[in-house]
Amino acid sequence: GDSVTQMEGPVTLSEEAFLTINCTYTATGYPSLFWYVQYPGEGLQLLLKATKADDKGSNKGFEATYRKETTSFHLEKGSVQVSDSAVYFCALGYNNAGNMLTFGGGTRLMVKP
Amino acid sequence: GAVVSQHPSWVICKSGTSVKIECRSLDFQATTMFWYRQFPKQSLMLMATSNEGSKATYEQGVEKDKFLINHASLTLSTLTVTSAHPEDSSFYICSARSSGRVTTNTEAFFGQGTRLTVV
Repeated sequence: GDSVTQMEGPVTLSEEAFLTINCTYTATGYPSLFWYVQYPGEGLQLLLKATKADDKGSNKGFEATYRKETTSFHLEKGSVQVSDSAVYFCALGYNNAGNMLTFGGGTRLMVKP
Repeated sequence: GAVVSQHPSWVICKSGTSVKIECRSLDFQATTMFWYRQFPKQSLMLMATSNEGSKATYEQGVEKDKFLINHASLTLSTLTVTSAHPEDSSFYICSARSSGRVTTNTEAFFGQGTRLTVV
């Protein structure tokens, strides 16, 4: 079956540091890939997505590229801010599954001033 | 974006009692809602798919008699954990998508989750 693996946290960075959160997946088909973010006390919010190989999703300075050859979708940001502190979830899903998603375990990011 | 409200955000209950968790789509109609569970340091695992007006579809290994799902309207789905035990302690989260044809651009919206602790 499908699965998503992402690096365990917490990841602690200083403000303006470079961020990478690794995500790899196994899939039986050709899924879309997603990054969701959960700020304290809030629900998961879609951060970015990519629907096919070599697509790059980007939003709010974050980006991730759908790498079929390495089955990866690593999340990156060049300069993190304190407000980026949250839990980040990598996920995959299929168009015909009606938004049913397979999630990674989540990575907590803590950014210190 | 659309808002999904989940209530309560946390609950502590005694072993053997039942707990109901509500998931509401506040500004859109949701024909389908999904219920996930997350154990500490593990992935969110899909428990069931809830379709308005019909029985929920449960994932393998999820006890339908223990986790009762009702989706009586286009804006409300409920998950009831019956006869809760300490091993049911977990983080439960719902998601919903709006009515209509699902495409790759159709976003799923999530509630804020419910932390259940059974003592």
